[in-house]
Amino acid sequence: DQQVKQNSPSLSVQEGRISILNCDYTNSMFDYFLWYKKYPAEGPTFLISISSIKDKNEDGRFTVFLNKSAKHLSLHIVPSQPGDSAVYFCAASEDSGYALNFGKGTSLLVTP
Amino acid sequence: DAGVTQSPTHLIKTRGQQVTLRCSPKSGHDTVSWYQQALGQGPQFIFQYYEEEERQRGNFPDRFSGHQFPNYSSELNVNALLLGDSALYLCASSPPTGGTGEQYFGPGTRLTVT
Repeated sequence: DQQVKQNSPSLSVQEGRISILNCDYTNSMFDYFLWYKKYPAEGPTFLISISSIKDKNEDGRFTVFLNKSAKHLSLHIVPSQPGDSAVYFCAASEDSGYALNFGKGTSLLVTP
Repeated sequence: DAGVTQSPTHLIKTRGQQVTLRCSPKSGHDTVSWYQQALGQGPQFIFQYYEEEERQRGNFPDRFSGHQFPNYSSELNVNALLLGDSALYLCASSPPTGGTGEQYFGPGTRLTVT
């Protein structure tokens, strides 16, 4: 069963606007949450992470928000750039360094 | 500083054959995990190696086995290949201190079973 769900297969955003990618999870034992970006023919690239003791983590244009009570996290990209066009995966684990459980991904297209 | 490397890049095998995929972790990393990514899906965890032992295993049959060597590199072996084993196989490494759990991925090996 899918413990991490990304319900939007695709998202299109204009350059300069905000991109918001959403992720839901069902396992209350998850303590670490990560976002990865993947270009075709490459492995996933780590973007940003957050532990369950926080509700927000920011790194440059990328911010991840965690709502534990709703079992929901989101990735905000501001401002969006054409180079951000890729597939974004949400992942979660019960313990740091252990198995990552991935969603199916959201394909982001940033148009000029 | 080399990142995670995997070999080969592509591989074509016949149903029933056996395959070995190889991975070298990022410098300074001691833990290696393997994932299978089918088309249109997210990566699925196969197993993780730490200190040359399988530390954690996902929901994959015994046909999938692995090994970690003293230099932390790792192999993934798949026996009795099925058509459904066709996928991108990703290796990821992580450092001794867990941090927030980030794992760093290689470019993957594309396996096609005919």
